[in-house]
Amino acid sequence: NAGVTQTPKFQVLKTGQSMTLQCAQDMNHEYMSWYRQDPGMGLRLIHYSVGAGITDQGEVPNGYNVSRSTTEDFPLRLLSAAPSQTSVYFCASSPGQNSNQPQHFGDGTRLSIL
Amino acid sequence: GEDVEQSLFLSVREGDSSVINCTYTDSSSTYLYWYKQEPGAGLQLLTYIFSNMDMKQDQRLTVLLNKKDKHLSLRIADTQTGDSAIYFCAENPGGYNKLIFGAGTRLAVHP
Repeated sequence: NAGVTQTPKFQVLKTGQSMTLQCAQDMNHEYMSWYRQDPGMGLRLIHYSVGAGITDQGEVPNGYNVSRSTTEDFPLRLLSAAPSQTSVYFCASSPGQNSNQPQHFGDGTRLSIL
Repeated sequence: GEDVEQSLFLSVREGDSSVINCTYTDSSSTYLYWYKQEPGAGLQLLTYIFSNMDMKQDQRLTVLLNKKDKHLSLRIADTQTGDSAIYFCAENPGGYNKLIFGAGTRLAVHP
């Protein structure tokens, strides 16, 4: 049981490049989400999904796209990377969207945009 | 608005108790969470408390919740060097899993 797996762990991009951050979970969790963590700030929600085929925006969705074609995977796409998107990105999952089912986090992807 | 406030730094001596404080704003939050982040790692769920409770104890961890003042604290008894990490408080406005996090409290444990 691997839990929540994020790849890659580190990535450096040039401004304007696109890339996809991968997130997979093997716990059959319906709810998945993406957060970004910036220095001196708490984690902020980018996008979330309550199940396959359903996604919605969080607090800071601009510049990011998501899709949820399977229960297991929830990739995050940067369409045209900007230096402001330099951050640590965390994926999380939980059995459902109800709050009595706490989220489990991956180890993060550290992304630098030059 | 939604906001979670934490002090940014706490230093304690090994063996002492640590108390990390947090204030939140949304009274609709049904659960309050404490997560731990070690350097270079993800967030590990430490404990969480239902908003109708005022205390929860789990081994060395004690969570106190004052719902009237919207104040949450995490007490770590007999703090060890392995407890050195950043501790995040989080609330769930509306009772859903769209968490609002504080900026984190960095706990440093010294001999």
